[in-house]
Amino acid sequence: QSVLTQPPSASGTPGQRVTISCSGSSSNIGSNTVNWYQQLPGTAPKLLIYSNNQRPSGVPDRFSGSKSGTSASLAISGLQSEDEADYYCAAWDDSLNGWGFGGGTKLTVL
Amino acid sequence: EVQLLESGGGLVQPGGSLRLSCAASGFTFSSYAMSWVRQAPGKGLEWVSAISGSGGSTYYADSVKGRFTISRDNSKNTLYLQMNSLRAEDTAVYYCASSPLIPGGWHEYYFDYWGQGTLVTVSS
Repeated sequence: QSVLTQPPSASGTPGQRVTISCSGSSSNIGSNTVNWYQQLPGTAPKLLIYSNNQRPSGVPDRFSGSKSGTSASLAISGLQSEDEADYYCAAWDDSLNGWGFGGGTKLTVL
Repeated sequence: EVQLLESGGGLVQPGGSLRLSCAASGFTFSSYAMSWVRQAPGKGLEWVSAISGSGGSTYYADSVKGRFTISRDNSKNTLYLQMNSLRAEDTAVYYCASSPLIPGGWHEYYFDYWGQGTLVTVSS
């Protein structure tokens, strides 16, 4: 199973705000920064959020990240059809000495 | 423009070997840590291995430790993954990904660019 825990699915209608949770432990989220990746169907993953809440150039400000304790969340406001994708959280794990990923959340725009 | 181009994937029998390459361009290769991340068919992402900018530090997931070897040639801007003793469960698309070297170290690294991936199929 995955190092980090995400819900397998999420959904919303256009214009809505949705959040995706990511739960970890003291060895990963609790002590290291969290990053989020978006994978559109049939494509490679793309960096969406880094260092808990930073957006790379070109990522719309509809996407935001937060972290508290051993959990993190990704929020998408003003949901659009093109946001339909798989979303993954990731963090370095001090016990594994490597990165752990969440199992991914498939976002459906209804 | 940053480009990461993987190659070397293919069909291999269980127990066989394969070497993946990732050719990088558009950035100062030696200033980036590099990783391999894989995705089995219909499954999520799994980190496989990472290497520091100089190549002096390497890390492996438990699932591949002792079978896979990551390396890099900074003079050729190329990352490698030597995969030995391959198993059916190693079947996946293998992506290379870059991580800018920021002061916080590995604890704060992230994958800023990804290649398009190369498919490795382990089957008899």
